[in-house]
Amino acid sequence: SAVISQKPSRDICQRGTSLTIQCQVDSQVTMMFWYRQQPGQSLTLIATANQGSEATYESGFVIDKFPISRPNLTFSTLTVSNMSPEDSSIYLCSVEKVISRGYYEQYFGPGTRLTVT
Amino acid sequence: AQRVTQPEKLLSVFKGAPVELKCNYSYSGSPELFWYVQYSRQRLQLLLRHISRESIKGFTADLNKGETSFHLKKPFAQEEDSAMYYCALLYNQGGKLIFGQGTELSVKP
Repeated sequence: SAVISQKPSRDICQRGTSLTIQCQVDSQVTMMFWYRQQPGQSLTLIATANQGSEATYESGFVIDKFPISRPNLTFSTLTVSNMSPEDSSIYLCSVEKVISRGYYEQYFGPGTRLTVT
Repeated sequence: AQRVTQPEKLLSVFKGAPVELKCNYSYSGSPELFWYVQYSRQRLQLLLRHISRESIKGFTADLNKGETSFHLKKPFAQEEDSAMYYCALLYNQGGKLIFGQGTELSVKP
């Protein structure tokens, strides 16, 4: 399994500011992802955090708004830039681990609840 | 385009009753589907995946390619099954998941 921690667990921020969310895994993983869960909505993939190269963003998400770092195989950060109230969401980090040959499992962090006022 | 649909936002049943949480998908490739569960104040966790054909906590789910469905079933619901359930589709390899809207299951005593 994988144990994932996120910091902060929650924050209230003013519009126009930026917040950096940290994700730490207890073991080395190849794949790390960032998801967003807006109020009353499902989880939406923001990007894949690639170690040693730029993150791969999904449609509708851009690097200027959500810059991501992945300095090593156990850590990643997501920054929510120039925040507006529409960015109020839960942001989740997830990792994929190989369970056995051909079997993968995704583990999720506890989430960071962001409120933008 | 790939999509996962869970038509019910809330499903309320009595303890001991059968439960079925519906999930339909749209995907042009060979689908790999999962059910995730989130209990109150806990993080999202994998419940089961279709390729394992396993029963977890009494839950089963069968992939029906003809009906493009992956419904989650349990013959006798328990109060501890109350949680949020998400159906998810793996697409484009590389661990990317598309989630359905989620169904909140409430099992009443």
